[in-house]
Amino acid sequence: QSVVAQSPSASGTPGQMITISCSGSSSNIGSNYVHWYQQLPGVAPKLLLYENNQRPSGVPDRFSGSKSGTSASLAISGLRSEDEADYFCAVWDDSLRGHVFGTGTKVTVL
Amino acid sequence: EVQLEQSGAEVKKPGSTVKISCKVSGYPFSDYDMHWVKQAPGKGLEWMGLVDPIDGETLYAENFQGRVTITADTSRDTTYLALSSLRADDSAVYFCARSHGGKFGYLDYWGQGTLVTVSS
Repeated sequence: QSVVAQSPSASGTPGQMITISCSGSSSNIGSNYVHWYQQLPGVAPKLLLYENNQRPSGVPDRFSGSKSGTSASLAISGLRSEDEADYFCAVWDDSLRGHVFGTGTKVTVL
Repeated sequence: EVQLEQSGAEVKKPGSTVKISCKVSGYPFSDYDMHWVKQAPGKGLEWMGLVDPIDGETLYAENFQGRVTITADTSRDTTYLALSSLRADDSAVYFCARSHGGKFGYLDYWGQGTLVTVSS
């Protein structure tokens, strides 16, 4: 089991905003950057946000991130059908001396 | 264009060793650490370890210590993942990924994944 927890699922209708949370501890989220990955069905993960809230080139500004203490969150506004995917947070853990992925959140667009 | 091209699917017997490759192109191979990530069927992502292509220094996740070996061949711009003493729960898709920002960085480019099936 991962030391970084995410809610298993989130859903919304097109146009809505949803938020995905990522909960860790002082050895990971509390002291390091959080990154977010989107995995569409059947393909490799893709970098969605890095260093808490930075968007790589090509990622729409509908995706935003934040971090506070030992938790982080990803917000998707103006939800679209193509946002239906699995989302994983990831962070370096100082105690484990390695990267840790969150448990993942499946987003469904109703 | 940055590309990470992984080797094809493998079917292995329990107790054997699998070795997967990931050839990169479009950037200087030695400039970025390379990571490997496991995804079992229907499950999440699990970090396995990384290699610094410059000096071959590695870092492995505790869950895989003793069974995993990650290497880098700068003459071939290729990183390798070897996993030994295979068992059924090693059946998974394995991804290579490039790390931006050293060992602590984020994974900005990923390979397409290699399916490994462990079955007698």
